[in-house]
Amino acid sequence: SYELTQPSSVSVSPGQTARITCSGDVLAKKYARWFQQKPGQAPVLVIYKDSERPSGIPERFSGSSSGTTVTLTISGAQVEDEADYYCYSAADNNLVFGGGTKLTVL
Amino acid sequence: QVQLVQSGAEVKKPGASVKVSCKASGYTFTSYDINWVRQATGQGLEWMGWMNPNSGNTGYAQKFQGRVTMTRNTSISTAYMELSSLRSEDTAVYYCASYYYMDVWGKGTTVTVSS
Repeated sequence: SYELTQPSSVSVSPGQTARITCSGDVLAKKYARWFQQKPGQAPVLVIYKDSERPSGIPERFSGSSSGTTVTLTISGAQVEDEADYYCYSAADNNLVFGGGTKLTVL
Repeated sequence: QVQLVQSGAEVKKPGASVKVSCKASGYTFTSYDINWVRQATGQGLEWMGWMNPNSGNTGYAQKFQGRVTMTRNTSISTAYMELSSLRSEDTAVYYCASYYYMDVWGKGTTVTVSS
């Protein structure tokens, strides 16, 4: 089975840069996506193909990849960015989510 | 607009089955895989499996093999996820997700398993 490992929590002050990492062997071969989930809401795609941003997602969200680790960066985090963030990837027709990272902005 | 509309909340007894529907609109239903993901209260996202609405081919997470069945009715652009032999640990919100990069999600269906 495949595993993706994320920190359980990250905390920044408004305006600072937040970085959330996701590690797993599958990431050396497969793209990652990032989802944002706010309480009581369905997840929202914020990054796909490691670093591509869907339309409508603010430019402060960016993604990068190096080896077996991908990173979601929120430059100038806003209070409204406080949410849970999940990475995920696919291998052999199986998808796997990271355990999620709670981002606190205050 | 592109959207997925899921069926309403369900309450089931242990051992029963539940079937959740997911109706697609605003795009060609058969063009993108449908994935099912669940989330227990306070827990992370858990991928359950995928279905190709065009061919009907499916792939299930090992954890759910033998208990989950994903089907579709292309005439009404609707996908279904049926989970059998329910237990209390299956209490969760069940989501369907689709489109290019799983960028469209339903609002979720709450399934409660309780005696």
